[in-house]
Amino acid sequence: EAGVVQSPRYKIIEKKQPVAFWCNPISGHNTLYWYRQNLGQGPELLIRYENEEAVDDSQLPKDRFSAERLKGVDSTLKIQPAELGDSAVYLCASSLNSIETQYFGPGTRLLVL
Amino acid sequence: GENVEQHPSTLSVQEGDSAVIKCTYSDSASNYFPWYKQELGKGPQLIIDIRSNVGEKKDQRIAVTLNKTAKHFSLHITETQPEDSAVYFCAARNPPLFNKFYFGSGTKLNVKP
Repeated sequence: EAGVVQSPRYKIIEKKQPVAFWCNPISGHNTLYWYRQNLGQGPELLIRYENEEAVDDSQLPKDRFSAERLKGVDSTLKIQPAELGDSAVYLCASSLNSIETQYFGPGTRLLVL
Repeated sequence: GENVEQHPSTLSVQEGDSAVIKCTYSDSASNYFPWYKQELGKGPQLIIDIRSNVGEKKDQRIAVTLNKTAKHFSLHITETQPEDSAVYFCAARNPPLFNKFYFGSGTKLNVKP
């Protein structure tokens, strides 16, 4: 069974530029998570989807971050404009539902210059 | 909200020795506690988990113990091997807070050959 797929794996951009990350969850998983992981820290939730619905986006900086999961499968996370402090690893995870174990993708490493 | 603290931040052991990593949580409503291993450049991978109705769980060289009264849980790795070297994260899931996962800050384990 394929795991969570993320792309790109690495991204270097200049501040104020836009950037987008893509995630394909494990087949059949209804719940999808986006996390941000700063260097030397644990993942912090940005947004969680149950199918197409964002059920917890309380930690998403809505002035510059947006996310979508239009068909309840793939998801994209966008930052516009990016700031220096956005440099981090952006992890996508999925689970069958909100009470089951979540599985992480390899992450996208973002560097904002 | 929930607060998960993890100790130690770094741990160095000799190959063959045991390693113990401890986490505490603040909200007694948390009911599921996974442990993840993260190797350099990869996403966190689930290695073992425990639910609040169980006190201990083992899987070969890895075990997790849970003390609900004291609100702490621990990861035990016996007969450590160099390939166990990685960063380990504990997490707690909190149902009252939309089943959100709260992660510890990580423990960098170094197993010396």
